Amino acid sequence: EVQLVESGGGLVQPGGSLRLSCATSGFTFNRYWMSWVRQAPGKGLEWVANIDEHGSEKNYADYVKGRFTISRDNATTSLFLQMNSLRVEDSALYYCTLGDYWGQGTLVTVSS
Amino acid sequence: SYELTQPSSVSVSPGQTATITCSGDVLAKRYARWFQQKPGQAPVLVIYKDSERPSGIPERFSGSSSGTTVTLTISGAQVEDEADYYCYSVPDNRWVFGGGTKLTVL
Repeated sequence: EVQLVESGGGLVQPGGSLRLSCATSGFTFNRYWMSWVRQAPGKGLEWVANIDEHGSEKNYADYVKGRFTISRDNATTSLFLQMNSLRVEDSALYYCTLGDYWGQGTLVTVSS
Repeated sequence: SYELTQPSSVSVSPGQTATITCSGDVLAKRYARWFQQKPGQAPVLVIYKDSERPSGIPERFSGSSSGTTVTLTISGAQVEDEADYYCYSVPDNRWVFGGGTKLTVL
């Protein structure tokens, strides 16, 4: 059974940083692109970033480019999202996904 | 940048056919997927490669494509199908989501 479990969310002040993690199991992690997608309360799904199987290609949405960094550890089948210079508008539920399967999300709240 | 356009809401009575469209230039050259999302839950894939249905998804869910528009059809919609539905595609290794359609079955 595929499992994706996000962690690391919380309350942070504007300008602060958070590191999200996604622990995975049940599939061959090093064969899949992985992505982060977010959803603000009451809003639609919004793609954030993705990374290829080896960690060599990374793509970012314009609204997070230069502030967020996606990475992965194939040895521990984990996905990460380092979020710096956080803004109020980054507040959302952040999902880890490989496309067909999604985690339950971790909530990030940016507020003073 | 690419955009995908969906109607904001669709409403049908139980047993009727619900049709949700998703339009965008990228769909002429890339497959689309459809997700169902119920309140407080993570998205669930219901259609991939425009018209393929994952195992476990009821047969009443189907997808089709024509030019720059893909369509999700729920034949004989049931109350439990009430949810938000999102299309998405992946041009140039970047995901693009539609704005989502709220399906009401009442």
